[in-house]
Amino acid sequence: SQTIHQWPATLVQPVGSPLSLECTVEGTSNPNLYWYRQAAGRGLQLLFYSVGIGQISSEVPQNLSASRPQDRQFILSSKKLLLSDSGFYLCAWSYQPNTEAFFGQGTRLTVV
Amino acid sequence: GESVGLHLPTLSVQEGDNSIINCAYSNSASDYFIWYKQESGKGPQFIIDIRSNMDKRQGQRVTVLLNKTVKHLSLQIAATQPGDSAVYFCAEARGDKIIFGKGTRLHILP
Repeated sequence: SQTIHQWPATLVQPVGSPLSLECTVEGTSNPNLYWYRQAAGRGLQLLFYSVGIGQISSEVPQNLSASRPQDRQFILSSKKLLLSDSGFYLCAWSYQPNTEAFFGQGTRLTVV
Repeated sequence: GESVGLHLPTLSVQEGDNSIINCAYSNSASDYFIWYKQESGKGPQFIIDIRSNMDKRQGQRVTVLLNKTVKHLSLQIAATQPGDSAVYFCAEARGDKIIFGKGTRLHILP
């Protein structure tokens, strides 16, 4: 069966520090991968999506970046965190376009 | 979209009654729609989906209705239970992207 792993579950980082959140999928190959951010009590904002290794599409210009170094690995990064980067970050995967996405358990990031 | 910055509306329903959660979508070219349930502190969970060549689809205690004319989607939950308490999101697939709509918090009254 397919599983998605996202870590860490919680993270507290100072302003200006770097960020690296990792997401891996098991049990499938060539998935579509997604990073979303959710502010407290708000909806989900699509940040990045990827249809293959090295292929990243950005939805929102900001100080975050994403990379897909391996087929089932998706990384969200920042060189310098801002207070506004605080939120609940969710990784998701789908088999192909126009199919449902399956979500990880999320990382709650607090920038202080 | 602009909905991500808005506070979530709340729907309060008596336990045992039916719940109807509504969603409007913007892109008439979207051809696949999904409803998700998100419990506090967790990632969204798939509930039910529908493609644009259908106007109704039923699952266990849930029904999704799609009205393409007015670009409206609804989720009906029959005999609402305390475990249904969560935030519900609709989402639409646009090519390789999955865009979430405004969520609704479902509150169950005893």
